[in-house]
Amino acid sequence: AQKVTQAQTEISVVEKEDVTLDCVYETRDTTYYLFWYKQPPSGELVFLIRRNSFDEQNEISGRYSWNFQKSTSSFNFTITASQVVDSAVYFCALSGITGGSQGNLIFGKGTKLSVKP
Amino acid sequence: GAVVSQHPSRVICKSGTSVKIECRSLDFQATTMFWYRQFPKQSLMLMATSNEGSKATYEQGVEKDKFLINHASLTLSTLTVTSAHPEDSSFYICSAGRDWGEDGYTFGSGTRLTVV
Repeated sequence: AQKVTQAQTEISVVEKEDVTLDCVYETRDTTYYLFWYKQPPSGELVFLIRRNSFDEQNEISGRYSWNFQKSTSSFNFTITASQVVDSAVYFCALSGITGGSQGNLIFGKGTKLSVKP
Repeated sequence: GAVVSQHPSRVICKSGTSVKIECRSLDFQATTMFWYRQFPKQSLMLMATSNEGSKATYEQGVEKDKFLINHASLTLSTLTVTSAHPEDSSFYICSAGRDWGEDGYTFGSGTRLTVV
């Protein structure tokens, strides 16, 4: 069975602190996609990253970075120098790669990040 | 980039009435669209897969007679919540599938349904 676990329900930090959101996944597929989405209070899902299971290179995009460790089935997300605008719920998700499985995203329960000024 | 438009963004309806939610792919053709539901403070769960020109595929536990899905064209899928009840109040969000690009999956902006 496929499963995504985000053990941190809520995190609160002070502006400019670094924060890491954890994501652990389970899948029997040998190839898969991993995602992170941001959901602000307005509700829309903002795409942050998609990572193919073939690619274990870490990625950095501005203040955001992702650490993919296939050996531990983890795909953690770090925000450096957090800002109040980073406050949102962050979801980690998993999908297959082939055919219709691409559209079936298995979401974690989300981590609510509050960044206080 | 790919754009998915979802309408309405918010709707309040009376118990027993039906509500239709539209999901449109604006700049690409989507043979497959997906409908998710998110209850307050919970995660998103796939409800059904909408296939253009054929019947939708529903996830276990989702009533197909209550949540009618029509994907009549390559750019439009509709979800109709029939005989809505307060427990159907939720955030409904669609996503559209096409050949994968660098931006990953494209979600609509969601519809917040409140049944009173």
